[in-house]
Amino acid sequence: AQSVTQLGSHVSVSEGALVLLRCNYSSSVPPYLFWYVQYPNQGLQLLLKYTTGATLVKGINGFEAEFKKSETSFHLTKPSAHMSDAAEYFCAVSSSSGTYKYIFGTGTRLKVLA
Amino acid sequence: EPEVTQTPSHQVTQMGQEVILRCVPISNHLYFYWYRQILGQKVEFLVSFYNNEISEKSEIFDDQFSVERPDGSNFTLKIRSTKLEDSAMYFCASTRGVYEKLFFGSGTQLSVL
Repeated sequence: AQSVTQLGSHVSVSEGALVLLRCNYSSSVPPYLFWYVQYPNQGLQLLLKYTTGATLVKGINGFEAEFKKSETSFHLTKPSAHMSDAAEYFCAVSSSSGTYKYIFGTGTRLKVLA
Repeated sequence: EPEVTQTPSHQVTQMGQEVILRCVPISNHLYFYWYRQILGQKVEFLVSFYNNEISEKSEIFDDQFSVERPDGSNFTLKIRSTKLEDSAMYFCASTRGVYEKLFFGSGTQLSVL
């Protein structure tokens, strides 16, 4: 079975500071990993994904994440936070078999302080 | 960019009533999903649908729930007899396959009174 753990349901950073949102996964098969962002009253938008190949993946809006198999982690980072980054962020895991369903973490609400 | 369309955006119903949530996935996609998100909680998988049949469902997806793709375009979720605890945001999603991203609709907020 696959699962995702997001440490920290709420994270606050100052504008211009580093953003680090943590995600650890559990999977018995090679995972596919995703970060989605949800703005208030909106659906989920894909930020970035890791399937195979390069372990450092870059996404939209300056976000990136690194797949570390030894640590079973896929943390999301951004060097400099903007006010517009305030949102809920979800990490998700899928696999190359079965129905490709995504299992989501509980989410991390990012607050950016002026 | 193509979009998954969901209607209505808000649905209010009385407990025990039937509701149908509608979705139009992206036209060349093959895999279809329903997820729900209770306020303040995580996004939960309900059901996946491929080749005109359910391929996987969660424990949440009991006999009160059903899905249909009646005309090759729409993808519906029916709740036969709604309960208070069915109140949630319901998201439809579709994808072409495992290497492609999952596209989500903007959701239907279901309120059961």
